[in-house]
Amino acid sequence: DQQVKQNSPSLSVQEGRISILNCDYTNSMFDYFLWYKKYPAEGPTFLISISSIKDKNEDGRFTVFLNKSAKHLSLHIVPSQPGDSAVYFCASKTGGGADGLTFGKGTHLIIQP
Amino acid sequence: NAGVTQTPKFQVLKTGQSMTLQCAQDMNHNSMYWYRQDPGMGLRLIYYSASEGTTDKGEVPNGYNVSRLNKREFSLRLESAAPSQTSVYFCASSLGGSGKYEQFFGPGTRLTVL
Repeated sequence: DQQVKQNSPSLSVQEGRISILNCDYTNSMFDYFLWYKKYPAEGPTFLISISSIKDKNEDGRFTVFLNKSAKHLSLHIVPSQPGDSAVYFCASKTGGGADGLTFGKGTHLIIQP
Repeated sequence: NAGVTQTPKFQVLKTGQSMTLQCAQDMNHNSMYWYRQDPGMGLRLIYYSASEGTTDKGEVPNGYNVSRLNKREFSLRLESAAPSQTSVYFCASSLGGSGKYEQFFGPGTRLTVL
């Protein structure tokens, strides 16, 4: 039973355009959400996070939107750059405590020149 | 500042052999984690240590043991390796505490069990 779902295994976007990566979750106890970027043969790198008390968080070219009623979050990258080509993982956790993250299967973003 | 380091980077074992994966962090983080990633899958939590002296099971703990040696180091042991444990293993750490949930990952260990 997948609690965090990324339904698009891959996404191709032209350089300079907006990339939108989506994530759905089923566990209503999740209240903290993170996005990670992963290049081949490297560990995941933290990108941006959002708490359930917010509906938007921005950091430079990256914005995460959270819709709690729909149990849906999205990552927007504007403008997309060639170095953004990577696998992006959505992850969630329940609040408090140091328990681990629950990850989606990832979306492979390909930025076309 | 090396962040999270893992050794070895690659390892090939035969079924039934044992080995220990090492992880260390230099960020003075309280919490440490072990995940595995299989092809086409997200990362799954094996074990974690919320603070020095404590360890807890994650989603897929069977076949593994862990030791939180000190605040810096967290090792993962496979006592009798099986082909199903062929995977990429990632160690991570986080500061812990309210709102400090971001985890920082090492480069991974690629393990093949024949």
